[in-house]
Formats: sequence, structure tokens, C-alpha cells
Amino acid sequence: ETGVTQTPRHLVMGMTNKKSLKCEQHLGHNAMYWYKQSAKKPLELMFVYSLEERVENNSVPSRFSPECPNSSHLFLHLHTLQPEDSALYLCASSSGTGGGQPQHFGDGTRLSIL
Amino acid sequence: GQQLNQSPQSMFIQEGEDVSMNCTSSSIFNTWLWYKQDPGEGPVLLIALYKAGELTSNGRLTAQFGITRKDSFLNISASIPSDVGIYFCAGRGGATNKLIFGTGTLLAVQP
Repeated sequence: ETGVTQTPRHLVMGMTNKKSLKCEQHLGHNAMYWYKQSAKKPLELMFVYSLEERVENNSVPSRFSPECPNSSHLFLHLHTLQPEDSALYLCASSSGTGGGQPQHFGDGTRLSIL
Repeated sequence: GQQLNQSPQSMFIQEGEDVSMNCTSSSIFNTWLWYKQDPGEGPVLLIALYKAGELTSNGRLTAQFGITRKDSFLNISASIPSDVGIYFCAGRGGATNKLIFGTGTLLAVQP
């Protein structure tokens, strides 16, 4: 069982659709993250959850809505997305949000908006 | 805001050559991390550094936390084809103490 699992791996959706990305971590971590990875740009941190509480929201449009029902699961709900939202969405987890705890990543969901 | 400058952007080398890449920041960092991302996969942690001057190895990979605490280096010795991928540095420190990522170094190794 891999440490951080993301589903689906690929998603194609229209601008009016509603879909959700799922992330599950099996590492016993208590912090989870959503990142957006676009070509030729640094990883962009979107949301941070610590102990199921959102502790960071980096000016992400409201069409992205995160949910963290427990410390092992993280969702990203998507609705009325724009073409520029096409990217690789990566989930990560760590054993804390402070200090130097490294983040462990899933393999991402490749999202394409038509 | 804080920025990480990672260089080079890309490298095309022959199998067996040594590789060196680095990251510099405008702020003092207390943590440096190096990740590798293979096509279609997420970044995988290679090396974590927590002290200025620290030198850590992971097989053929060696990374160092710069003395100034504003830079870090990653060296790969005797490269092999499976070293191909994108290497990212990440650092934490400065005013925000957030983890930020470099733009990556694309490594291509010709057999």
C-alpha cells in the first residue's frame, strides 16, 4: 500500500461539471495539503489541514472547496472550473506543519478542463 | 514574497557523468529538502537537511545545506538512465516559515 494515494489519476471535465478529487494517506500523519502543479511553475500550495482543521488557504478561488473529514482523508471538490485550472493536483501529508517535517506526495490527479 | 531560484533549468548529460544543481533563496532557511519527480508520478523525497553545513548522502546522491543558510546543492555521481526526471528543491524559513518549492531541474541522461 503506497503512503499517499490519490484518485482518480486522470479527470476530464467540462466547465459546468462538479467532481471531487480524493486523497488518502496511510502514514499516520496529521497534516495534509493540496498543491497545484502547472508546467514551468513552482508547486503552488492551495490548502493546508492540520488535525482536520484548515490552517491555510492561499487565495484559492471558491470554485475549489476542500474537505478533511479525518486525518487520513482529504477531498478537493471542484465546480464550474476554468480552462486555466487544468493542471496536476498533488496531495501531500506530513507529521506536522511546523518545523522541518518533510511532506510525502501522492502521484497526483491530472485534471483537464474542456 | 519569498522565492527560490533553482538552476540549471535543464541538463542533458551522458551516462556516467556527475551532475550538480543548486537552489538559492533570498531568505535564511532552516530546512532544505530535495525531491525527484518521475513522469506521471508525484515528487519523492530524496534528502532532508536541517543544519547549516550539513552534508547528507543517499546512495549516489549527496546534498548540502549551505553555510550561509541561503542555498543548497544536490550532486549526483555516475549518473544512470533512471536518474532522468525533474529534481525540486524546497526550503522552509524566512518571515513566513512556509515550505516553498523551486521551479525544478529537468535531468536527461543519454545511455
